[in-house]
This record gives sequence, structure tokens and C-alpha cells, in this order.
Amino acid sequence: GAVVSQHPSWVICKSGTSVKIECRSLDFQATTMFWYRQFPKQSLMLMATSNEGSKATYEQGVEKDKFLINHASLTLSTLTVTSAHPEDSSFYICSANRGQEQYFGPGTRLTVT
Amino acid sequence: GQSLEQPSEVTAVEGAIVQINCTYQTSGFYGLSWYQQHDGGAPTFLSYNGLDGLEETGRFSSFLSRSDSYGYLLLQELQMKDSASYFCAGLNYGGSQGNLIFGKGTKLSVKP
Repeated sequence: GAVVSQHPSWVICKSGTSVKIECRSLDFQATTMFWYRQFPKQSLMLMATSNEGSKATYEQGVEKDKFLINHASLTLSTLTVTSAHPEDSSFYICSANRGQEQYFGPGTRLTVT
Repeated sequence: GQSLEQPSEVTAVEGAIVQINCTYQTSGFYGLSWYQQHDGGAPTFLSYNGLDGLEETGRFSSFLSRSDSYGYLLLQELQMKDSASYFCAGLNYGGSQGNLIFGKGTKLSVKP
């Protein structure tokens, strides 16, 4: 079946630094990928839609200058959390559509100290 | 936009049947998906209903009624490993692309 990978699985960083998370579709091409954030015991919240070769579409309330998204190829999208703060600590999950089904990556747990 | 409502918690015993309901209010609704998420893990796809009716996949079935803006996930012959959070998600198409909007999730606890 389709597989989406994420790297890293977890990361701890200091406040003020930037962190890059990669999302790859391993056996299919994805012109569109999605980035979600999930706080403990809460639902997944869509942050942005990543479009290959064009600018990402951000959901209301998500700062595009803080969460930089680059979708440079049909199999790779990256999310960079810039100037991370402790409140950015969360579980970040990417996904990609294949037909009507959306495949999720395993997630990246970010802890900002 | 969309909003989806589902119960926050459900408890059932091993071997039983449980139904998790999901009602939605939406514009641009295209279909309803269900995902399972174990603690600390990523969501995994269970089923998708693009048309009204029942979709069956092994022990899991899902139902959609567009006229009622309602769907449900039915889990049969419950096993301990089914203890997880279950999310309904509306597939929404706006313009040229679609995305998923998730409900808040239902935490299912299966007791022996």
C-alpha cells in the first residue's frame, strides 16, 4: 500500500531555533500534501495545504511566516517551524492524497524547551 | 466550512458491537472518512463513504446518509486492540483541491 514517511520522528530543540520536518510519499506522487498539528488529547487540526510547485495554502490563524512550507518535488514537502517557542510543542503529521484516501505519515513529535 | 460532531468517549466489552456516530455541518462536503489512532501514533485509514449506504470492511462498517448529514462507524466483535480514538473526517472540496476536516475524536475503551 501507499506509504508516507516523516523525518525526524521526534525532535527536541531550544526556544528560538528553527526545525525542519520532511514528509515523503514513498511509492506514489503527491501534488498535494497536508500538514496537521495535534495537541495532546485533541483532534488533528489542518495547518496548511502544500502544493507542488506553488505556494502553500494556510488555514486561518496559522502564521505562514512562522510555518514555512516547501513542496519542491512530487514526493517531498517540508515544514519548517521558525523561531520555535514552547507553545509550538506538538505532534506534527503530514498526509498525502491518493484517490479518495488520505495516507498519513507517522508524525513528528516536537518539543521546544 | 465544516464542523463534525461525535461523542467524546465510548466504553464497551470485548466481543460486543459498538456504533460511533458522526453528524456534520458542511459546505463543499464530498464524503466521510473514518480513522483510527492509537495513543502516540498517527491516524490510520479505516473507511470512506462517498455515497449513501453501508461500506463493510471486515469487522468494521461505515454508513453515510447525506440527507441526514450523518454517518456512523460500526465495530463488531470488539477486541482489546480496538481501544483507540476514532475520528470521523469530512472530505471537503473547495476550489481545485480537497482536504480533510476532522471531528474531535471518540475515545473507545474496550473492557475484558
